[in-house]
Amino acid sequence: AQTVTQSQPEMSVQEAETVTLSCTYDTSESDYYLFWYKQPPSRQMILVIRQEAYKQQNATENRFSVNFQKAAKSFSLKISDSQLGDAAMYFCAYLNAGNMLTFGGGTRLMVKP
Amino acid sequence: DAGVIQSPRHEVTEMGQEVTLRCKPISGHNSLFWYRQTMMRGLELLIYFNNNVPIDDSGMPEDRFSAKMPNASFSTLKIQPSEPRDSAVYFCASSTKQETQYFGPGTRLLVL
Repeated sequence: AQTVTQSQPEMSVQEAETVTLSCTYDTSESDYYLFWYKQPPSRQMILVIRQEAYKQQNATENRFSVNFQKAAKSFSLKISDSQLGDAAMYFCAYLNAGNMLTFGGGTRLMVKP
Repeated sequence: DAGVIQSPRHEVTEMGQEVTLRCKPISGHNSLFWYRQTMMRGLELLIYFNNNVPIDDSGMPEDRFSAKMPNASFSTLKIQPSEPRDSAVYFCASSTKQETQYFGPGTRLLVL
């Protein structure tokens, strides 16, 4: 079974600054997908970014980018030019070959004005 | 396009009552998932359907929980009888195989 670990329960960042959220995972599979989801106070789970393991190029979506290190089984999320609306819980997730998601415990991001 | 639709959004019930949660997946998605989120256990997969067939229900807590998917556009998660420890946010998500899962808004369940 896969495990996903987010070692930072809470992070804070100054508005307009950059922050990196960490995620590591454990797997014996070679083909899989990784995701970051955002959960604001509304509780809605919102997809932030997705990475296919077979792609060497790191995914980017506007101010959000990842640092995917397959050998190290590391998948960190970088948020540039942080905005107040970025404040939320962020979950790292692993999708296995059986089409099932495993989530990390989450990181609460606070953005200071 | 409409996203995943869940109802009700909030449910308050008394211990021992039957609770039914409903989900309409995104049209064209053939995989449907039920998750439960609690402070203690985080996000847990309860059951996974593919083409309306349950593929993995190992996350279903016990016999009090049951899930059905009678057709491609509707699924239910039923708890009977409900207990206070079932209080949680229940999410439904859908996807095509090996693709991004899109989540509904969740149902916040409180069992008194």
